[in-house]
Amino acid sequence: QVQLVQSGAEVKKPGASVKVSCKASGYTFIGYYIHWVRQAPGQGLEWMGWINPNSGVTNYAQKFQGWVTLTRDTSIGTTYMELNRLRSDDTAVYYCARGTPSRGDAFDIWGQGTLVTVSS
Amino acid sequence: SYELTQPPSVSVSPGQTARITCSAAALAKQFAYWYQQKPGQAPVLVIYKDNERPSGIPERFSGSSSGTTVTLTISGVQAEDEADYYCQSADSTGSYVVFGGGTKLTVL
Repeated sequence: QVQLVQSGAEVKKPGASVKVSCKASGYTFIGYYIHWVRQAPGQGLEWMGWINPNSGVTNYAQKFQGWVTLTRDTSIGTTYMELNRLRSDDTAVYYCARGTPSRGDAFDIWGQGTLVTVSS
Repeated sequence: SYELTQPPSVSVSPGQTARITCSAAALAKQFAYWYQQKPGQAPVLVIYKDNERPSGIPERFSGSSSGTTVTLTISGVQAEDEADYYCQSADSTGSYVVFGGGTKLTVL
């Protein structure tokens, strides 16, 4: 079935980096953008950016430019989100989501989420 | 920065109709999307392109648009509809995605 499976929870110290993976299955990987969204504890959803798996072109929210990097490996149908210079307020669940062109790029499939905890 | 404005909370009794609004200037030009999120779960798409419903989403969920405001309507609310609901759209250029702050729907 169509799904996105993310890597497991991470605990990092302030100033470190984290790299979360998102593996797609059940559909043509290069046909759909992958977006990354985070949610701090008890807070709302925050869009971080997208990657076009076909071309590798990326687009980041202004807040995250220069701070987050999205990449992909087409050979294994996986996208990655790397966030640098972590701070305690980066503690959040990070989601990947598929944007579907036929639905106006709606996020119709989501990963299960990856909890990243930043603590000294 | 661009924002979508939602009410923080809406409460309804079972069987009643819940309406959740989302407002922003760019909604006059950009499509809106709605997601349902239950505690500990990933969001689920319930409405796309203002008023389209994905397969598997109950017919009691509907969306509408009027000018700079979009509305998610849940007719005949059931206890299982209690959740947080987020609207999503793009800025006026279509370059950046934005989410509303979320609305907690309580079924009394």
